Amino acid sequence: KQEVTQIPAALSVPEGENLVLNCSFTDSAIYNLQWFRQDPGKGLTSLLLIQSSQREQTSGRLNASLDKSSGRSTLYIAASQPGDSATYLCAVTNSGYALNFGKGTSLLVTP
Amino acid sequence: GAGVSQSPSNKVTEKGKDVELRCDPISGHTALYWYRQSLGQGLEFLIYFQGNSAPDKSGLPSDRFSAERTGGSVSTLTIQRTQQEDSAVYLCASSFEGLSTDTQYFGPGTRLTVL
Repeated sequence: KQEVTQIPAALSVPEGENLVLNCSFTDSAIYNLQWFRQDPGKGLTSLLLIQSSQREQTSGRLNASLDKSSGRSTLYIAASQPGDSATYLCAVTNSGYALNFGKGTSLLVTP
Repeated sequence: GAGVSQSPSNKVTEKGKDVELRCDPISGHTALYWYRQSLGQGLEFLIYFQGNSAPDKSGLPSDRFSAERTGGSVSTLTIQRTQQEDSAVYLCASSFEGLSTDTQYFGPGTRLTVL
């Protein structure tokens, strides 16, 4: 069974810092890996989707990398802002549709 | 355009009662998914619908859970004889074709509390 782990569980940084969130998974036979953001009381917003054949994806201040063979992904957030405060979830799929989620990293960016 | 909508946003029920949760996917999306987010358990996949194909029900936790998708659009998740461990946020998502390259768009969820 696929297990997805996210480290750290919580992170607090001052505004302006660059930061890295980590995700690991046990079964490397994935179709893709996605990073989501969840704000309190709201649904999930997709940030980046990396196909299994890709190594990284970038969107604005976000960069996600994928090392499929080692079962690892990182989400890099540059020049963090208070508006980045949220829970970040990593998810992989072995079926092509059903997502297996980690438990998330709760990020707080302080002004 | 409109995103995925879910109703009700909150539902409080007594143990043993049946509940129905509704999901309206993004117009034109053929794939629809239900997930459950429990405290301490994280998000778990429940069921997947794609067009007219038979749904993948492999994530449903018990036979008290069932889901339908009528006319290839709206979906209803039904929980019979609710138990306290069913308390969770139930999230619905949709995607264009259900391919691995498709982004899943999530609704705001229904928070279910079973007393």
